[in-house]
Amino acid sequence: GAGVSQSPSNKVTEKGKDVELRCDPISGHTALYWYRQSLGQGLEFLIYFQGNSAPDKSGLPSDRFSAERTGGSVSTLTIQRTQQEDSAVYLCASSLAARGGRADTQYFGPGTRLTVL
Amino acid sequence: ELKVEQNPLFLSMQEGKNYTIYCNYSTTSDRLYWYRQDPGKSLESLFVLLSNGAVKQEGRLMASLDTKARLSTLHITAAVHDLSATYFCAVDNQLIWGAGTKLIIKP
Repeated sequence: GAGVSQSPSNKVTEKGKDVELRCDPISGHTALYWYRQSLGQGLEFLIYFQGNSAPDKSGLPSDRFSAERTGGSVSTLTIQRTQQEDSAVYLCASSLAARGGRADTQYFGPGTRLTVL
Repeated sequence: ELKVEQNPLFLSMQEGKNYTIYCNYSTTSDRLYWYRQDPGKSLESLFVLLSNGAVKQEGRLMASLDTKARLSTLHITAAVHDLSATYFCAVDNQLIWGAGTKLIIKP
């Protein structure tokens, strides 16, 4: 079956503009995660959805970042008034339901490379 | 502060050699995850270690978990070039990640 897809694959924007990044999880996966990976670095957790609700938004770096998920499927990560330090690869992952708080293995999308000029 | 530390961060080795990557974590966690990332690609799950003393092996890779020491190891046996990648460990429902170990295996 289809894996996790993300769009766009690359996005170049000017400082101060807003951007929207999209993630389509694997069908039937109720948990969805957003991460940020700067060049040569590890993963920085941003936000996690269980269904349409976000129990953990602790990783969002500022109020310029927001995310939503509709219909328990597609998720959009929005960055307002982008800054150069927002440049990174944004990865989305999905997993089966986190039962009892324990997450299953995550399946990652190919990422969106964001460059803020 | 919850932290995951991987050691080493960079490793260059010859084919045929054995080596171990270490993952230390500061939180109590009875699950540990290992992922692989090829250059320019996304992450792929390798192992999920579910309990103290767990050991899993696939091919030339073997992972183990010691929850008392808060330590996991990823052992590479008789390395081959195809194993060149960056390896990440993660804990706490995969919300806390190590910085990754970039492994280069020279033919």
